[in-house]
Amino acid sequence: EDQVTQSPEALRLQEGESSSLNCSYTVSGLRGLFWYRQDPGKGPEFLFTLYSAGEEKEKERLKATLTKKESFLHITAPKPEDSATYLCAVQAGNAGNMLTFGGGTRLMVKP
Amino acid sequence: KAGVTQTPRYLIKTRGQQVTLSCSPISGHRSVSWYQQTPGQGLQFLFEYFSETQRNKGNFPGRFSGRQFSNSRSEMNVSTLELGDSALYLCASRLSGASNEKLFFGSGTQLSVL
Repeated sequence: EDQVTQSPEALRLQEGESSSLNCSYTVSGLRGLFWYRQDPGKGPEFLFTLYSAGEEKEKERLKATLTKKESFLHITAPKPEDSATYLCAVQAGNAGNMLTFGGGTRLMVKP
Repeated sequence: KAGVTQTPRYLIKTRGQQVTLSCSPISGHRSVSWYQQTPGQGLQFLFEYFSETQRNKGNFPGRFSGRQFSNSRSEMNVSTLELGDSALYLCASRLSGASNEKLFFGSGTQLSVL
């Protein structure tokens, strides 16, 4: 069974304090690993897709990396507007387009 | 370009009733997926439709069903509601259904079962 575990569940940072969120996964034939951001009262918003170990993608203050067992979302010098829940999801080779999501990391950035 | 639109935004039902939720995908998108989000279980896949055909189904009881119309709009139905069905139901669309395409989510329908 495909599983995705995210840690920590919640993270409080001061503005400018860099950190990383972790996504550990076990999946039968990884086709893609996805990062989403979800704000309260809204649906998830796509951030990145990673396909193979060693791949990295960046967008503003966010950088996602992938290994064979986990992915990290690095947040550099975060701002209060980066506060949100960050979700990780995997797409398995035998599961069509279904995504299996982790429980998310709730990030709070204080000014 | 309008995003994924879900109606209604909020819904309150009682146990035993049934409910129908509606989703209009982004114009031109042909694939629609449904997910259930709860604090305890997180986001869980319900089903995916492409060109009016169900392609995938998650591990939910038969009380959960869906359909897609020729204009790609989709509905999901939950019959004989239970308290545990209280959740945020999210609809997502992608252009042609290819696995490497971005999935765009709506803001969801918050269902409360009393």
